[in-house]
Amino acid sequence: KAGVTQTPRYLIKTRGQQVTLSCSPISGHRSVSWYQQTPGQGLQFLFEYFSETQRNKGNFPGRFSGRQFSNSRSEMNVSTLELGDSALYLCASSWGREGYNEQFFGPGTRLTVL
Amino acid sequence: ELKVEQNPLFLSMQEGKNYTIYCNYSTTSDRLYWYRQDPGKSLESLFVLLSNGAVKQEGRLMASLDTKARLSTLHITAAVHDLSATYFCAVGQYGNKLVFGAGTILRVKS
Repeated sequence: KAGVTQTPRYLIKTRGQQVTLSCSPISGHRSVSWYQQTPGQGLQFLFEYFSETQRNKGNFPGRFSGRQFSNSRSEMNVSTLELGDSALYLCASSWGREGYNEQFFGPGTRLTVL
Repeated sequence: ELKVEQNPLFLSMQEGKNYTIYCNYSTTSDRLYWYRQDPGKSLESLFVLLSNGAVKQEGRLMASLDTKARLSTLHITAAVHDLSATYFCAVGQYGNKLVFGAGTILRVKS
């Protein structure tokens, strides 16, 4: 069974640009969550999508947005990049709606903003 | 707002010794997850604890959950070098949202 895949694995952008990251969940999983990991703030929840609907959103500015497609693949977009957006972005895939299932993380996308 | 505290944040152990990592959380939840992260890698799921008194074991690791005390423990038995990694606990909130602790960096010395 294929795991969670994320593309691209590495990105280098400059301030002010925008970026789109992609996550393909495990086949059959309908929930995709996104997290930001930085040395200073640790792992922080960005948002969760289930069946194309955003169910949860963390405390991030509106520059961070996402969506989910009918095949459960998800994208997140960060506009007007800032230096502080440099981080490892992880997505997690889960089967169920109510959170009582194991969540599997992808390899992450490492974003560097110069 | 849910807070998740892990301690210790750094643990240096000798091979063969036992130790426990603690995870306290501030509001009611019956879902607790443990993950392992190796340097430069993603998160590997270790345990999912879904009820009060739940105990799970895999190899040298054993995790337990006390929802009344809002406490989970990850016990390491007879540590080996391969267990060196960062361990995170995470508490489940609405839907599939997880709130993570800061992580415990474990170094096992031979």
